[in-house]
Amino acid sequence: EVQLVDSGGDLVQPGGSLTLSCAASGFTFNNYAMSWVRQAPGKGLEWVSFIGGGGSPTYYADSVTGRFTISRGISKNTLHLQMNSLRVEDTAVYYCAKFHSSGWTIDSWGQGTLVTVSS
Amino acid sequence: QPVLTQSSSASASLGSSVKFTCTLSSGHSNYMIAWHQQQPGKAPRYLMNLESGGNYNKGSGVPDRFSGSSSGADRYLTISNLQSEDEADYYCETWDTQIQVFGGGTKLTVL
Repeated sequence: EVQLVDSGGDLVQPGGSLTLSCAASGFTFNNYAMSWVRQAPGKGLEWVSFIGGGGSPTYYADSVTGRFTISRGISKNTLHLQMNSLRVEDTAVYYCAKFHSSGWTIDSWGQGTLVTVSS
Repeated sequence: QPVLTQSSSASASLGSSVKFTCTLSSGHSNYMIAWHQQQPGKAPRYLMNLESGGNYNKGSGVPDRFSGSSSGADRYLTISNLQSEDEADYYCETWDTQIQVFGGGTKLTVL
């Protein structure tokens, strides 16, 4: 059974940094593309970043380009999202998500981790 | 990049059926999409992916009451024999070159 467990969310001040993690199990991690998706309070789903099965390519939404970095853990089945220069508008629940084997759509979600950016 | 258009809300009675529409923008009518359900306070749940020809593949544990279909640029999710636990937000989603796209979501109220 596929399991994705998100962690690392916290309260951080504007301009601060935070790293989110997603522990994956139940599938061959490096064979599947992964994404981070976020949801601001009361809003819909917003894609943040993508990483290919082997660690490349990587893509980012315009709103986070240059501030966020997605990566895969070197020795563990873990996905990371390094977030720098955080803004109030980055406040959201962040979900990691696994791509379907077709490569077109998501087919599994983590439980989410809350990031609050506030002074 | 594709745009996915969904109605913002829908309502239907317990035990009845409801059909959601996700419309792909011009030039993207052959794209595969996925449907996801998000119950209040929970993470999204993958329901199925749906091809332009109407073939769909459901996620593990998704009840038979959930089905998909397609017509041109429209992708549909039908829920029959509505239950109270079906009250949720429903999102469609797809991928294009270098970007993932979500519809705005449809909020279902079960009366």
